[in-house]
Amino acid sequence: EPEVTQTPSHQVTQMGQEVILRCVPISNHLYFYWYRQILGQKVEFLVSFYNNEISEKSEIFDDQFSVERPDGSNFTLKIRSTKLEDSAMYFCASSGQGGHQETQYFGPGTRLLVL
Amino acid sequence: KNQVEQSPQSLIILEGKNCTLQCNYTVSPFSNLRWYKQDTGRGPVSLTIMTFSENTKSNGRYTATLDADTKQSSLHITASQLSDSASYICVVSGGSNYQLIWGAGTKLIIKP
Repeated sequence: EPEVTQTPSHQVTQMGQEVILRCVPISNHLYFYWYRQILGQKVEFLVSFYNNEISEKSEIFDDQFSVERPDGSNFTLKIRSTKLEDSAMYFCASSGQGGHQETQYFGPGTRLLVL
Repeated sequence: KNQVEQSPQSLIILEGKNCTLQCNYTVSPFSNLRWYKQDTGRGPVSLTIMTFSENTKSNGRYTATLDADTKQSSLHITASQLSDSASYICVVSGGSNYQLIWGAGTKLIIKP
């Protein structure tokens, strides 16, 4: 069964450093998402991406964040200058043509620790 | 304000027993309601997705109900197994931009 994959599974970085989290969505999906989950808290929406552009973003997704689909398969989240409070699990998700009406399939997540 | 509230916050039951988890929402306009299962340290996995016109939907031992009038949903788990231990999250799609609004989840522990 096709699945969303994410790399790396864990990332430790120093405050102020840039990190890039990578995702490979399910191959025929058209909508892509990033979420984060701080330990013990709710899943929070960051951004959705469709047709090579951001379709929605939350207040969390400020100028420090950017997303890109550099080729036909990868979908990346970049944090330019990490802060301690960026420490969280970051999940990528994808869904098919129906967009918000369809099930979103989540990857296993990248655990980011900012020191 | 668009919100999703779940109860109980946590629940411990014995293997083989049934349980029901609750979800209340104040999301308008409403598009659909989803239940996800999230194992510790893993990504959420979809169990069911229901639109306005659906009252109940099953996925194996999981049965979700939706009352769009009272804005309540429940997830019933039948004959629980140890592998059911996880967080169960209610998520509502709606609002002006159809974002997913996440509940805090119910942490379910199944004891042998």
